[in-house]
Amino acid sequence: AQKITQTQPGMFVQEKEAVTLDCTYDTSDQSYGLFWYKQPSSGEMIFLIYQGSYDEQNATEGRYSLNFQKARKSANLVISASQLGDSAMYFCAMRERVDSSYKLIFGSGTRLLVRP
Amino acid sequence: ETGVTQSPTHLIKTRGQQVTLRCSSQSGHNTVSWYQQALGQGPQFIFQYYREEENGRGNFPPRFSGLQFPNYSSELNVNALELDDSALYLCASSLPGQGFTEQYFGPGTRLTVT
Repeated sequence: AQKITQTQPGMFVQEKEAVTLDCTYDTSDQSYGLFWYKQPSSGEMIFLIYQGSYDEQNATEGRYSLNFQKARKSANLVISASQLGDSAMYFCAMRERVDSSYKLIFGSGTRLLVRP
Repeated sequence: ETGVTQSPTHLIKTRGQQVTLRCSSQSGHNTVSWYQQALGQGPQFIFQYYREEENGRGNFPPRFSGLQFPNYSSELNVNALELDDSALYLCASSLPGQGFTEQYFGPGTRLTVT
């Protein structure tokens, strides 16, 4: 079975600095997809970035980039120029086949607090 | 284009009761997935509905059931509530074939079972 591991329960970062949130995964599939979501205190899961296993370049979306190291099975999220509004829970997830569809397997999350 | 909406926002139920949670999907999305997120944990997949039929199920007992309607809205029903059912319940809508890269989550329903 696939598994996502996030080893940082909480992180602090100073406003305007960059921060890296760690994510490692375990899968025997050759084709897979990795996701990062942001969950503010309101509860809604907000999609940030996606990396396909065959993508040759690391994904980027604005201030978010994904440091994808396939051999090490890691997919770390890098947030540049942190803002106060970035304070939230961050979840790494992997897409897994279930019956005739797919589901997302989530890690336990990292709580990020941006200090002014 | 409207986003995913869920109702109610909060709900308190007593152990043994039954509950129905509702989800309206993103406009044009015909696939709805439901997740349970216990406090301090990541969401766990309950099941998915596509064109009014269950299309995949996670490791949840049969007392968790669902429906999808012709307008693609969906319900999650939980019978014989247990204390451990207390959680945030999230629904997400998507279109098949896009690998979840266009999946949108609702704000969730927070269920408390006492």
